[in-house]
Amino acid sequence: SQQGEEDPQALSIQEGENATMNCSYKTSINNLQWYRQNSGRGLVHLILIRSNEREKHSGRLRVTLDTSKKSSSLLITASRAADTASYFCAAVSGTYKYIFGTGTRLKVLA
Amino acid sequence: GAVVSQHPSWVICKSGTSVKIECRSLDFQATTMFWYRQFPKQSLMLMATSNEGSKATYEQGVEKDKFLINHASLTLSTLTVTSAHPEDSSFYICSANPRQGSTDTQYFGPGTRLTVL
Repeated sequence: SQQGEEDPQALSIQEGENATMNCSYKTSINNLQWYRQNSGRGLVHLILIRSNEREKHSGRLRVTLDTSKKSSSLLITASRAADTASYFCAAVSGTYKYIFGTGTRLKVLA
Repeated sequence: GAVVSQHPSWVICKSGTSVKIECRSLDFQATTMFWYRQFPKQSLMLMATSNEGSKATYEQGVEKDKFLINHASLTLSTLTVTSAHPEDSSFYICSANPRQGSTDTQYFGPGTRLTVL
């Protein structure tokens, strides 16, 4: 299977703490994207990082990419209860196939 | 921003019946659309790539005769689950690529929850 892996599978933190989730992928990529999914809902695009970038910031989000290790991480700083959701990385190849990771279920406790 | 809709948002059907799910790009043309399946608490698995005016490309392990895909226009792709069985119950999500050759942007629909009794 080409599916990427994420860890941890589940993460529970207190409001205000930082949350870090990691993604490993198997294919060569053009870019890697992170998405959020609330229970039973569609995907919300969070951030995109290109294969020639190493780090990117957007608000409380920080993404890193290490193409030599085929891995990426998503850091959410100062988490809020509203950040409770599942987070997926998607490795995007030149054929615009999106290969999603297994996901991390984040629970932020108020 | 670009919007992709799916219809219906949920459907319940009896085993053995066929169900059609529509995916529409509302404010852009999409030469390529994608269909994903997501089982509870699992990730999205790409089922097939739908190209306007040509046959869909199915991922390994996906039965093309069971999951019929039609991309009849630049704004509409349909997925028909034929002779549905309980194991086909899942969350089906489509996405659309607004420009051929660009991997940056793929817009996702809100998903369709299929329950087969």
